[in-house]
Amino acid sequence: GAVVSQHPSWVICKSGTSVKIECRSLDFQATTMFWYRQFPKQSLMLMATSNEGSKATYEQGVEKDKFLINHASLTLSTLTVTSAHPEDSSFYICSARSRLAGPQDTQYFGPGTRLTVL
Amino acid sequence: GNSVTQMEGPVTLSEEAFLTINCTYTATGYPSLFWYVQYPGEGLQLLLKATKADDKGSNKGFEATYRKETTSFHLEKGSVQVSDSAVYFCALQSGYALNFGKGTSLLVTP
Repeated sequence: GAVVSQHPSWVICKSGTSVKIECRSLDFQATTMFWYRQFPKQSLMLMATSNEGSKATYEQGVEKDKFLINHASLTLSTLTVTSAHPEDSSFYICSARSRLAGPQDTQYFGPGTRLTVL
Repeated sequence: GNSVTQMEGPVTLSEEAFLTINCTYTATGYPSLFWYVQYPGEGLQLLLKATKADDKGSNKGFEATYRKETTSFHLEKGSVQVSDSAVYFCALQSGYALNFGKGTSLLVTP
């Protein structure tokens, strides 16, 4: 149980285009989903926290208009990188938290999406 | 603020060697502590966790003890296998947010 999927697993796009990444909790309902960014040989950096039916909360330094997050249901959150540029190339990872658990519960991670902007 | 510091890698060990990956943290309150593992080409998987001081998390032969007095959560395994080659991340959770260390790459050779 507690499986999180991401789609696509990798994507290559041209500079200036927008890319949408999906994050789904397959066998549980996720009250909260998190989006992280991971640079090579670096740690995961939290970008935003997404609660179902409400606006995402972005971390300091993350552009809200560039990284659009939608959490339309208890099993789906999407991250759209708008007008992507080469510096947006990174590994994007989502995680999901079960709605039935308390604040100290485990986050379940998706396999990540590798974005390359040419 | 909260932060996690873990030893720099890469760490290269021979099969059956003893493993220690150091992790120390800075946090307000009483965070939960985690070790996550990332195998090549895969996402992060929870390896073990501890939610309060002196708790020991264990899984797949790995262990880590929550030491409040030294603010540490070192990962240990008595005998590593080639299949343990991966990147290991120490993390703390206070509230909803997870703070990760930079990760330690482990390579186990036959």
